Amino acid sequence: QLQLQESGPGLVRPSETLSLACSVSGGSISSSRSYSWGWIRQPPGRGLEWIGSISHEGSTSYNPSLKSRVSVSVDTSKNQFSLELTFVTAADASLYYCVRHPTTGGYGMDVWGRGIAVTVSS
Amino acid sequence: SNELSQPPSVSVSPGQTATITCSGDKLGDKYVCWYQQKPGQTPRLVIHQDSRRPSGIPERFSGSSSGNTATLTIGGTQAMDEADYYCQAWDVRTATFVFGTGTKVTVL
Repeated sequence: QLQLQESGPGLVRPSETLSLACSVSGGSISSSRSYSWGWIRQPPGRGLEWIGSISHEGSTSYNPSLKSRVSVSVDTSKNQFSLELTFVTAADASLYYCVRHPTTGGYGMDVWGRGIAVTVSS
Repeated sequence: SNELSQPPSVSVSPGQTATITCSGDKLGDKYVCWYQQKPGQTPRLVIHQDSRRPSGIPERFSGSSSGNTATLTIGGTQAMDEADYYCQAWDVRTATFVFGTGTKVTVL
């Protein structure tokens, strides 16, 4: 069974870059040709926000509100994908989830990591 | 607008039907999914492609979409269904997602 696990610093200073990784186990990113890999965040006590996704072919799509600061990439050699969010502010403090979803159609996000809490503070 | 609006809360008696709406511009042109999130837990997909249930989701969960509104219906609501529910739309033209504002379902 495919599982996702987020990793990265739990504390980031304002104006710096948040870097998170998502390790995939129980399956291979490189063999998952029909799937994309993405990131979702949820501020404490608030709703879900899609950040961005990357397809098997490496095509990326981002939330327009974050597009200028976000980058999602894949490292098939490590069987993981990553998120970078630049120039963070307090508004970026959230629980960050990595997810898997079929690339085509509205099939939804069927596998979720447990999430990693990120605080923004000096 | 790229926003999806949901009622903040819905209350339902056990055994009754809970109806949660999700409204957005041209929502009928997009695929809609629904997620259930219980306190302290990861969201779980309960409906995809407007009305399809993933394996393992009880039949009491159903979805529909028409015009600018999508609807999640929980028939015969049980105490275990108490949770936050989020709609999500996928825009095939831009390959982007947007989530709804979320609805807290309380089973009284």
